[in-house]
Amino acid sequence: AQSVSQHNHHVILSEAASLELGCNYSYGGTVNLFWYVQYPGQHLQLLLKYFSGDPLVKGIKGFEAEFIKSKFSFNLRKPSVQWSDTAEYFCAVSTDSWGKLQFGAGTQVVVTP
Amino acid sequence: DGGITQSPKYLFRKEGQNVTLSCEQNLNHDAMYWYRQDPGQGLRLIYYSQIVNDFQKGDIAEGYSVSREKKESFPLTVTSAQKNPTAFYLCASTPSHQGDGDYGYTFGSGTRLTVV
Repeated sequence: AQSVSQHNHHVILSEAASLELGCNYSYGGTVNLFWYVQYPGQHLQLLLKYFSGDPLVKGIKGFEAEFIKSKFSFNLRKPSVQWSDTAEYFCAVSTDSWGKLQFGAGTQVVVTP
Repeated sequence: DGGITQSPKYLFRKEGQNVTLSCEQNLNHDAMYWYRQDPGQGLRLIYYSQIVNDFQKGDIAEGYSVSREKKESFPLTVTSAQKNPTAFYLCASTPSHQGDGDYGYTFGSGTRLTVV
């Protein structure tokens, strides 16, 4: 069965620190990859997505992610976080044309002032 | 504004009761999904529907039922057979899957169900 693993459940860091969240998936075929964010009390929002082409994708709010096919990974990065980046982050994978998503367990990120 | 409306926002259920969660979208999206969100487990797919009058089981369909009589509506019933129904339920929709590769998921604001 397909699975999506997020390495950290909780991350606490200070403003201006760099953030990297790991995501690995187990599926050998073609995948579409996503990172979603859920700010406190808000809807899930799409941060960025990868379908094909340049494996380094840039998303909203200064986030980027790199697809490394050989490592089945799609790690999320931000060079300098802000307090407003406090949220839960979900990696998700889709392997079919209908877009059913398999989500990771999520990483709760807390940025302290 | 276009979007997905889930109601109610909070729902309390007594053990042994069935409850129905509403999900309505005015985005003219073809596909609709129900996910369950539990702390530390991410989102798990309950049911999904690609077209009207058709739906498929997801990973955790046991104890749930759905219907898709209208394109804009995809209600979820949590039955008494669901052993652990307390959770946050999210509805989502996407436009046609016709090869455009841009799933454009839109999520609702969720319903928090608590069994008392």
